[in-house]
Amino acid sequence: AQSVSQHNHHVILSEAASLELGCNYSYGGTVNLFWYVQYPGQHLQLLLKYFSGDPLVKGIKGFEAEFIKSKFSFNLRKPSVQWSDTAEYFCAVSPNFGNEKLTFGTGTRLTIIP
Amino acid sequence: KAGVTQTPRYLIKTRGQQVTLSCSPISGHRSVSWYQQTPGQGLQFLFEYFSETQRNKGNFPGRFSGRQFSNSRSEMNVSTLELGDSALYLCASSPSGGGSDTQYFGPGTRLTVL
Repeated sequence: AQSVSQHNHHVILSEAASLELGCNYSYGGTVNLFWYVQYPGQHLQLLLKYFSGDPLVKGIKGFEAEFIKSKFSFNLRKPSVQWSDTAEYFCAVSPNFGNEKLTFGTGTRLTIIP
Repeated sequence: KAGVTQTPRYLIKTRGQQVTLSCSPISGHRSVSWYQQTPGQGLQFLFEYFSETQRNKGNFPGRFSGRQFSNSRSEMNVSTLELGDSALYLCASSPSGGGSDTQYFGPGTRLTVL
């Protein structure tokens, strides 16, 4: 079974700071990787996903993530955060074949100070 | 297209009661998954339905059950409620439930068990 670890539980940054949220997964085969975001009072929505090809994927709102297969990592980055990025961020993984479930990390709460 | 809708949005029940939650997927989506979200455990997979059949199941007791109708709408039932069942229950739909599919989440049903 797959598992996902998000190392940072709560991150506090000032506006314009750079962001990197860590995500590591455990699974023996090829995977699809996702970052979802949950803004206060809103439902989960997809930020970006990787399933093949270029390991550097770009998502909405200036976010990007890099899949490093050798490190089983899929860290989320943004060069300059805004107050509106305050939210909870979830990394998730699913096996590349079959209809296996999506497994989520425990989430990272991001607070941006204006 | 309309997004995933869930009803009701809020529920208060007492221990021992049962509850039924409803989810309407995005039009054309045939896979519906259910998740339980709590502060301590994060997002945990409950089950997935595709074409009226349960295709995947998470590690939850048999008190948690579900079904899917021919129009892809899904219901989730929890019997003999316990205090620990208090959570946000999320429904997600995707076209086929394949590993690379993006899951689209509804706003959730907030269940409080007293």
